[in-house]
Amino acid sequence: DVKVTQSSRYLVKRTGEKVFLECVQDMDHENMFWYRQDPGLGLRLIYFSYDVKMKEKGDIPEGYSVSREKKERFSLILESASTNQTSMYLCASSEKRKRGDTIYFGEGSWLTVV
Amino acid sequence: GENVEQHPSTLSVQEGDSAVIKCTYSDSASNYFPWYKQELGKGPQLIIDIRSNVGEKKDQRIAVTLNKTAKHFSLHITETQPEDSAVYFCAASTTGGFKTIFGAGTRLFVKA
Repeated sequence: DVKVTQSSRYLVKRTGEKVFLECVQDMDHENMFWYRQDPGLGLRLIYFSYDVKMKEKGDIPEGYSVSREKKERFSLILESASTNQTSMYLCASSEKRKRGDTIYFGEGSWLTVV
Repeated sequence: GENVEQHPSTLSVQEGDSAVIKCTYSDSASNYFPWYKQELGKGPQLIIDIRSNVGEKKDQRIAVTLNKTAKHFSLHITETQPEDSAVYFCAASTTGGFKTIFGAGTRLFVKA
């Protein structure tokens, strides 16, 4: 089975802190994603990466950055956390194919910024 | 931009009844339509998917239909059970999953 592991399930951070959310996948997938989930808004793509050291902005990249130094690891960074970044963050991965493909999600990281 | 509309946002059914969730997409290039189930406190998991060259697909109590002309696709759950209670997301995708657009989700309650 595909396993996408998010290292932190629940975090509470202060406004202005730098926050790292870590994600590891074990299926040698080329593509990795970070989504944000808020009630009534569905899943919104923050950033994605289709290869090591490659990254592309998604729909809501402001206030976030990412790092992909190894194929299996994709990190989301909040440079200066703000209260409006309180949310559930989902990491995901998928294979690189010509056609659309299944996205495999982690269990999510609940971030509260106070 | 491209979007996926999902209805209803909340659905409550009696155990044993059927549940239908409908989605409409805007990008005519979409060729892959997965459905995800998200249980409380967990990440979404794929439950069924359909590709653009197929009109219907069934897996036990779950079926998905696709009408490419109308850009509609639907999830049908028959003989619902309490463990079907969850949030369901539809999605439309093109190449490589980069452009996967998710619906806003449907919260399904199955009453015992």
